[in-house]
Amino acid sequence: AQSVAQPEDQVNVAEGNPLTVKCTYSVSGNPYLFWYVQYPNRGLQFLLKYITGDNLVKGSYGFEAEFNKSQTSFHLKKPSALVSDSALYFCAVRDFKGFQKLVFGTGTRLLVSP
Amino acid sequence: DADVTQTPRNRITKTGKRIMLECSQTKGHDRMYWYRQDPGLGLRLIYYSFDVKDINKGEISDGYSVSRQAQAKFSLSLESAIPNQTALYFCATSFSGGTTGELFFGEGSRLTVL
Repeated sequence: AQSVAQPEDQVNVAEGNPLTVKCTYSVSGNPYLFWYVQYPNRGLQFLLKYITGDNLVKGSYGFEAEFNKSQTSFHLKKPSALVSDSALYFCAVRDFKGFQKLVFGTGTRLLVSP
Repeated sequence: DADVTQTPRNRITKTGKRIMLECSQTKGHDRMYWYRQDPGLGLRLIYYSFDVKDINKGEISDGYSVSRQAQAKFSLSLESAIPNQTALYFCATSFSGGTTGELFFGEGSRLTVL
């Protein structure tokens, strides 16, 4: 069965510094990988996805993620953090076979300090 | 207006009461889902529906039931609420004709069972 792990409950970064939110996955076959963001009192919003092709995926709000098959990772990155990036981030994976069920990680809270 | 609308947004109820959470969508998607979010546990799938005549249990369906009244409406019921069902509930949709299985979420319904 597919699974994702987000090893950090919280990531702290100063505004203007680069940020990384980590995600590793386990899936049989080729993975479909996603990042979602949840702002306070809001639903989850889609940030970006990896299906195939270029290992560096660019998404909304200046975020990008790097797919690394050998390390089974899909880390979320941004070159320069903003205070407004503070939110809860979820990684998710789907096996391309069968039902399109997304399996979510436990989430990582990002806090960007001024 | 939101594409995926959940009502109520907040509800406080007592143990043993019946509760219904409603979800409607204007995205024209055929697939709908109910997830539950708990701190430190991420999102877990309760039920999903591929179309009006297709209902399937997710990983944590015990104590819940659903109804797909129309393609655009998917309701979640707690027949006899208990305190450990206190959580944030999300409805989501996806389009079977898409290639990636991306989910679109509502704003969430926060349920507190006393």
